[in-house]
Amino acid sequence: GAVVSQHPSWVICKSGTSVKIECRSLDFQATTMFWYRQFPKQSLMLMATSNEGSKATYEQGVEKDKFLINHASLTLSTLTVTSAHPEDSSFYICSARAYRGTGELFFGEGSRLTVL
Amino acid sequence: DAKTTQPPSMDCAEGRAANLPCNHSTISGNEYVYWYRQIHSQGPQYIIHGLKNNETNEMASLIITEDRKSSTLILPHATLRDTAVYYCIVSFSSGGTSYGKLTFGQGTILTVHP
Repeated sequence: GAVVSQHPSWVICKSGTSVKIECRSLDFQATTMFWYRQFPKQSLMLMATSNEGSKATYEQGVEKDKFLINHASLTLSTLTVTSAHPEDSSFYICSARAYRGTGELFFGEGSRLTVL
Repeated sequence: DAKTTQPPSMDCAEGRAANLPCNHSTISGNEYVYWYRQIHSQGPQYIIHGLKNNETNEMASLIITEDRKSSTLILPHATLRDTAVYYCIVSFSSGGTSYGKLTFGQGTILTVHP
């Protein structure tokens, strides 16, 4: 099946620094990618929709200046958590919709961010 | 997206069939039913999806009622590795800006025991 890869799988950073998470579709082109966040013992919450070559669309309550999304190619989207704080510690997951899809979305393995 | 209702947890004996129910009474005519599962600390895994007809693949079967207001995911021979959170989601399929914008509920925690 199609593969979506995230990097890094886990990262620890100091408060105030910025962290970039990459999401790649390895064997298909993805015109659209989605970024989710998941806190412990909670469900996934959609943060934003990333469209190749255009600005991302953010869900209500998600700060676009804090969570910068770039989708510069059909196989790569990046999420940058700027000036991270401990409350940003979470599990970040991306998913990708194939350019020629059959209906399912493919999810990455997730990236666990811990801000000290 | 239409909302779904799932039991918070279920148990199943290894080797037996696991039947996970989902209610989606407000589903619209062109929304699909998707099932994903999430094993601890991993990204969700696609299982199956369907519109009206029952579907089967190598992982599971999906039974959708005639009125489409509910569905059941069937894992025919559950194994310990099937222990996970199972999410039932309704969403549009290909076409339209909403495609792929999945809204996850709380899901069902399925525990398969020896």
